[in-house]
Amino acid sequence: AQSVTQLGSHVSVSEGALVLLRCNYSSSVPPYLFWYVQYPNQGLQLLLKYTSAATLVKGINGFEAEFKKSETSFHLTKPSAHMSDAAEYFCAVSEPPSNTGKLIFGQGTTLQVKP
Amino acid sequence: EAQVTQNPRYLITVTGKKLTVTCSQNMNHEYMSWYRQDPGLGLRQIYYSMNVEVTDKGDVPEGYKVSRKEKRNFPLILESPSPNQTSLYFCASSLFGGQLNTEAFFGQGTRLTVV
Repeated sequence: AQSVTQLGSHVSVSEGALVLLRCNYSSSVPPYLFWYVQYPNQGLQLLLKYTSAATLVKGINGFEAEFKKSETSFHLTKPSAHMSDAAEYFCAVSEPPSNTGKLIFGQGTTLQVKP
Repeated sequence: EAQVTQNPRYLITVTGKKLTVTCSQNMNHEYMSWYRQDPGLGLRQIYYSMNVEVTDKGDVPEGYKVSRKEKRNFPLILESPSPNQTSLYFCASSLFGGQLNTEAFFGQGTRLTVV
């Protein structure tokens, strides 16, 4: 079965510092991977998605993620954190074999940005 | 504006009192689903629907019902709510099910408390 693991339920960075949120997946077939962001009291919004076209994926708000098959990872980065980046971030993978369309989510990482 | 609309946003109810959470999308999406979000567990799929009159169980369907009589609507029904169904619920839609790289759009969420 597919699974997604996000390392670190809470990450705290200073404003202007590098943001690195870790995501590892398990999949026996090439996966489709997503990062979603959830701002307080809001729904989930797509940040970016990997669909095998390129290993480095650029998303909204300056975020990007690199797909590394050998490490089964899809870590999310941003060179310089802003206060407005404080939110909860979810890594997700689409389940391929049964084509249910289901997204399998990681546990989520809360990003805190300190002034 | 393309959106997924859930109602209500907040609901406090008592054990055993039937309730319905509505979900509507205006993007003509075929695929709709319900997730619940619990701390430390990420989002887990409750039910999904590939198209009108086609629904199926997700990972945590116990205690829930759904229906898909029209393409745009996908209500979640709790016939006899229990305290373990206290959670944050999200409705999501995407263009197709089984298209693995299709972006999912999420509603704002419904915070349900069962006492």
